[in-house]
Amino acid sequence: QKEVEQDPGPLSVPEGAIVSLNCTYSNSAFQYFMWYRQYSRKGPELLMYTYSSGNKEDGRFTAQVDKSSKYISLFIRDSQPSDSATYLCAMGSNTGKLIFGQGTTLQVKP
Amino acid sequence: DGGITQSPKYLFRKEGQNVTLSCEQNLNHDAMYWYRQDPGQGLRLIYYSQIVNDFQKGDIAEGYSVSREKKESFPLTVTSAQKNPTAFYLCASTSPGLAGTDTQYFGPGTRLTVL
Repeated sequence: QKEVEQDPGPLSVPEGAIVSLNCTYSNSAFQYFMWYRQYSRKGPELLMYTYSSGNKEDGRFTAQVDKSSKYISLFIRDSQPSDSATYLCAMGSNTGKLIFGQGTTLQVKP
Repeated sequence: DGGITQSPKYLFRKEGQNVTLSCEQNLNHDAMYWYRQDPGQGLRLIYYSQIVNDFQKGDIAEGYSVSREKKESFPLTVTSAQKNPTAFYLCASTSPGLAGTDTQYFGPGTRLTVL
């Protein structure tokens, strides 16, 4: 079993839809959680970062962490074609290393 | 203009050749990382270095080598022993965060193709 599982998609939605991206994990030692966005042929860029259970909002993006269920989500409201990218979840503990999910490819159609 | 730079953007290698990928950062980060990205497999850690003159193997270190002689630089050599080197290679560095947590920032990547 992989430490982090992420549905690779692809996921295709119409413009304006609410998108839900999810990851599950098995390692209880993970303390902090991130979402990265990666456009084609580019390096990942940090989108959201959180280290506690609950919700964190930044504009159209909301990161949700449920440590009891070992489940994290990223919600995108009012999705735009410019949101079309691969979204990677990542998790870390005190080792200094991050464990990444496989990435979910999202396409937002105009 | 701070950030992480990787060069070259595209690299072609013949069978049996060693090639070196460059990674430079001017963010004053202590830790640096090399990842390999293949379609559908996310990012896999090759090597990482938390301090100058020290580095550790990641999950897929076989066929790769690194050095960390300067804080700013962490070059990766893909040796002829790496049997399937065609991939997208990403370098990252870490900014220490709250309570010992680390946020990794990535370079633009190098796409290596074996001819």
